[in-house]
Amino acid sequence: DTGVSQNPRHKITKRGQNVTFRCDPISEHNRLYWYRQTLGQGPEFLTYFQNEAQLEKSRLLSDRFSAERPKGSFSTLEIQRTEQGDSAMYLCASSLSWGQGGYTFGSGTRLTVV
Amino acid sequence: AQKITQTQPGMFVQEKEAVTLDCTYDTSDQSYGLFWYKQPSSGEMIFLIYQGSYDEQNATEGRYSLNFQKARKSANLVISASQLGDSAMYFCAMTYLQGAQKLVFGQGTRLTINP
Repeated sequence: DTGVSQNPRHKITKRGQNVTFRCDPISEHNRLYWYRQTLGQGPEFLTYFQNEAQLEKSRLLSDRFSAERPKGSFSTLEIQRTEQGDSAMYLCASSLSWGQGGYTFGSGTRLTVV
Repeated sequence: AQKITQTQPGMFVQEKEAVTLDCTYDTSDQSYGLFWYKQPSSGEMIFLIYQGSYDEQNATEGRYSLNFQKARKSANLVISASQLGDSAMYFCAMTYLQGAQKLVFGQGTRLTINP
């Protein structure tokens, strides 16, 4: 098992463009989380999947954001009509249902909107 | 609502010394978990140590130990015999043990180990 994989590692996009990030969790982990981390801050929760079901979304997740996890495997996070305020590190984590000490994070995708 | 407070924006320590990173939390729930993560400049979040709210013993993992004082709602991380590779951002986080079990993070402490 190679851990949680996120692609791309870096993304530079022009304001107004759409971007999509991918997360491949640890295969036996049924829970998947997306977080956003801005410079100098701790990560903030965006959304959570249990298998293919998206069970919780933060108020931070505006209408321009959408996340999917088809078939309960990999997940994608799409941002439409990007704004400069979307510039951040987007982190994906996966865990087993019991969660105890079992969160594994990917290396993140750093988004820069110019 | 959960809240994590890390009051030390930066810490500077000499190599081989022990260091304590402070973390206080606020919750009205009785069932929760506390975590410490290390984030080097490369960006990944590395799990260090976990303490459950019902655990009676303080958690230890190698050079890391968690000083858990439930009544004071504090969960300080102690790193013994610091090494140059310990230089990184350190985040305290908590989760409820029910529901989504999402992590709530503090603002972090930047630890610098001097040779």
